[in-house]
Amino acid sequence: AQKITQTQPGMFVQEKEAVTLDCTYDTSDPSYGLFWYKQPSSGEMIFLIYQGSYDQQNATEGRYSLNFQKARKSANLVISASQLGDSAMYFCAMREGSGGSNYKLTFGKGTLLTVNP
Amino acid sequence: SQTIHQWPATLVQPVGSPLSLECTVEGTSNPNLYWYRQAAGRGLQLLFYSVGIGQISSEVPQNLSASRPQDRQFILSSKKLLLSDSGFYLCAWSVFIRVIQETQYFGPGTRLLVL
Repeated sequence: AQKITQTQPGMFVQEKEAVTLDCTYDTSDPSYGLFWYKQPSSGEMIFLIYQGSYDQQNATEGRYSLNFQKARKSANLVISASQLGDSAMYFCAMREGSGGSNYKLTFGKGTLLTVNP
Repeated sequence: SQTIHQWPATLVQPVGSPLSLECTVEGTSNPNLYWYRQAAGRGLQLLFYSVGIGQISSEVPQNLSASRPQDRQFILSSKKLLLSDSGFYLCAWSVFIRVIQETQYFGPGTRLLVL
């Protein structure tokens, strides 16, 4: 079973509007971390935001916020006031806290976001 | 501040030829280092992981190998490339904070095409 599921292969949004990118995860570990990365066409993976499983509040970083719903095992990325430069591939990733492979980040397949002017 | 470099940026190699990709990190000590591969239109697959000089963990058995000759240097190698080795190779580093919060930061990547 996939540990990270991103169901939206592609999304379109108008400039200056908000957009939500979906991510659901599967783990039985009570301790885990969730990450979002942005990959523009240049290829570099850019870290955006982190949410820990024990964090009481949703993470925010500038225009990025994470809508963390633990019971539903979802960690959706919200981008407010979209800009043309936000057009990129977005990946959700998870690290589980226990076990021998706790160094491993498991990535979803990504969502391609296109911001229209 | 920390920076991570990868070279070459692009590489075209014939099948059966050797490979050496290099990754170096500046501005930090004793980082954890990672090699990932991304096939076209796919997510990232972890290939190798290193917690220190000479310490390499392999995630996926294949004809690739990794070495860490210095604290901030990570090298990905192959003796004979296969067509299936084509892809985008990303190096990443992290510093331990606590396990689940350890954030990985990626380099610019190397695009490898094996013909």
